[in-house]
Amino acid sequence: GESVGLHLPTLSVQEGDNSIINCAYSNSASDYFIWYKQESGKGPQFIIDIRSNMDKRQGQRVTVLLNKTVKHLSLQIAATQPGDSAVYFCAENAGTGFQKLVFGTGTRLLVSP
Amino acid sequence: KAGVTQTPRYLIKTRGQQVTLSCSPISGHRSVSWYQQTPGQGLQFLFEYFSETQRNKGNFPGRFSGRQFSNSRSEMNVSTLELGDSALYLCASSLRDSKQETQYFGPGTRLLVL
Repeated sequence: GESVGLHLPTLSVQEGDNSIINCAYSNSASDYFIWYKQESGKGPQFIIDIRSNMDKRQGQRVTVLLNKTVKHLSLQIAATQPGDSAVYFCAENAGTGFQKLVFGTGTRLLVSP
Repeated sequence: KAGVTQTPRYLIKTRGQQVTLSCSPISGHRSVSWYQQTPGQGLQFLFEYFSETQRNKGNFPGRFSGRQFSNSRSEMNVSTLELGDSALYLCASSLRDSKQETQYFGPGTRLLVL
C-alpha cells in the first residue's frame, strides 16, 4: 500500500502475542505525540496520544510509553490480533504553537493466525 | 458523526496539468491540514488552515497551494504537475489549531501523474 517504504521495518508476531513498536522522535521541544495505524488503501487512523507531562498512557489493549530523556516512544499492543496488521506511525507535533505533525517512517506489523 | 471526507478518491493527470483536491472536515472542526504521502519520503506536512487563514506551511514549492472556506472545507491545488507529485494526499481535521489537538485523517486522494 501507499504507506510502504522501501526500507520499512517489519515486526512479525503470532496472534495472541504482545507487540511492541518503537519510535525515536527528533525534536526535544515536541510536547504532543500520537500513534496512528494505517491499513492498505486507507488514511491514518488515530490510536492513542500522549502529552509530554506524562510518561505512560493506556487505552484499550494499547499502551504508549514516552521517554523524553532519550526521545523515544513505544506502542504496546496486548493480545495482538490479525486485524492489528497494518503500518504504525508515530507522530510528534513540532509546530511552534500550530499544527504540524512530523511522522516517523513507520513499522509494518504482521500478525499470523 | 461523519469522518473527514476527501474527493476525488483517485485522479490521473498528465505532466503540466493542474489539479484541485477537496476536503470536508469533521463537523465542528475548524482546522484542516494537508499531508503528502509517498513511499520514498513518507508522510510530509504541506500546510494548515484555520479560520480561512494559512497558519503553517511545509517545505513544498509554490506550485502547491490551498485555501479554506468559511464552512471550514478546504481545497488544495497543485499546478504544473510533475511526475514526482504522484502521491497520496491526505487531509486531516482537528477541532482547533492548538498544538495539542488530535488530527483525524480522511481516506486520501490518490494522484497519479503520467
